[in-house]
Amino acid sequence: DTEVTQTPKHLVMGMTNKKSLKCEQHMGHRAMYWYKQKAKKPPELMFVYSYEKLSINESVPSRFSPECPNSSLLNLHLHALQPEDSALYLCASSQEGTVSYNEQFFGPGTRLTVL
Amino acid sequence: DQQVKQNSPSLSVQEGRISILNCDYTNSMFDYFLWYKKYPAEGPTFLISISSIKDKNEDGRFTVFLNKSAKHLSLHIVPSQPGDSAVYFCAAGFQKLVFGTGTRLLVSP
Repeated sequence: DTEVTQTPKHLVMGMTNKKSLKCEQHMGHRAMYWYKQKAKKPPELMFVYSYEKLSINESVPSRFSPECPNSSLLNLHLHALQPEDSALYLCASSQEGTVSYNEQFFGPGTRLTVL
Repeated sequence: DQQVKQNSPSLSVQEGRISILNCDYTNSMFDYFLWYKKYPAEGPTFLISISSIKDKNEDGRFTVFLNKSAKHLSLHIVPSQPGDSAVYFCAAGFQKLVFGTGTRLLVSP
């Protein structure tokens, strides 16, 4: 299994809703990532989990709350989002917990729309 | 401040010819460079990588060149195929990956 899966594919939510994005990989990778990608922009790193511990938080607002229940799963909990948070949210994983010499495998993304 | 730049937003090439995609970076601490391909409605797919101790890496039709003194890397695709039509992102790594803005490649039959 060489896939990173993400659910749901699309999500529409209001500013008062609470929702979660889910990411799963079964490649035995020890690092998992959340990226945000706006239209015509490159992916921007949000969080990195290395060996199930949060290792990087790129000063992301607290309305985004990541969680890594085990080495195969990564969640992103969303609460009180703003319309400008509408974007494609990408999950990725890599074999080791460091960037160097280590390609990341991406999921297809969740297209989030905040009304 | 965009640390990784792809100055050509788009590139059109005929099938069978060479495609050359370029990428410039500013941070001399980057020690690992990658190219990703992205189709619409899919996540980026890893293509090829190069570490800062090398100046060339080849994998089939894809070759990446790194010029550290110029802080420049390029991806050569030979021969180009219509299925190569996608958005190509370069990425540079040191502690985290920083992506370029992307170049849309169109390979026409």
